[in-house]
Amino acid sequence: SQQGEEDPQALSIQEGENATMNCSYKTSINNLQWYRQNSGRGLVHLILIRSNEREKHSGRLRVTLDTSKKSSSLLITASRAADTASYFCATASFSGGYNKLIFGAGTRLAVHP
Amino acid sequence: ETGVTQSPTHLIKTRGQQVTLRCSSQSGHNTVSWYQQALGQGPQFIFQYYREEENGRGNFPPRFSGLQFPNYSSELNVNALELDDSALYLCASSLASRSGYTDTQYFGPGTRLTVL
Repeated sequence: SQQGEEDPQALSIQEGENATMNCSYKTSINNLQWYRQNSGRGLVHLILIRSNEREKHSGRLRVTLDTSKKSSSLLITASRAADTASYFCATASFSGGYNKLIFGAGTRLAVHP
Repeated sequence: ETGVTQSPTHLIKTRGQQVTLRCSSQSGHNTVSWYQQALGQGPQFIFQYYREEENGRGNFPPRFSGLQFPNYSSELNVNALELDDSALYLCASSLASRSGYTDTQYFGPGTRLTVL
């Protein structure tokens, strides 16, 4: 079963616009991670935010985490055509001696030139 | 580039056959996790290996098994293949502390398995 649920499932924007994707989850977590995947290839790690952090930045990426609402958002500013990809949130919980990543179904982002 | 490699890139098998997929972890990493990603879905956790032992498993049947070698590379074996096993199989390596805790997992490019 998948814990994270991304919203929206698909997003289509013009180059230069901002893209916001949301993720909700159900159980307590150690951290939440965002990954990007181009055309069914491997996942590229974008950013990790720990459960005691509220906001994190990396280049054009901004991630927020609200543990009280069990939700996170990923903002991509000034989007480019190269940002076209699927974006996944993954929650990490440490239990039983290992860290398990649980992924959502992803948001498919299309950025048009 | 994460430094995690997988082979083969693509594989076609028929129902009932057995398959072995391989993964080389990033240098310095001691943990490998395997995921199955069906078309249009997010990856689902199969199992994790730490210091050559399986230390965590998702909701997959025993016909999914694995190995981790002393150099921390890993294999995923699937017996008695079913049509629903068609998917992208991803491995991810990470560095675990002595307690088994890891942070970021770095993914390989995946192996696309088609079962006919």
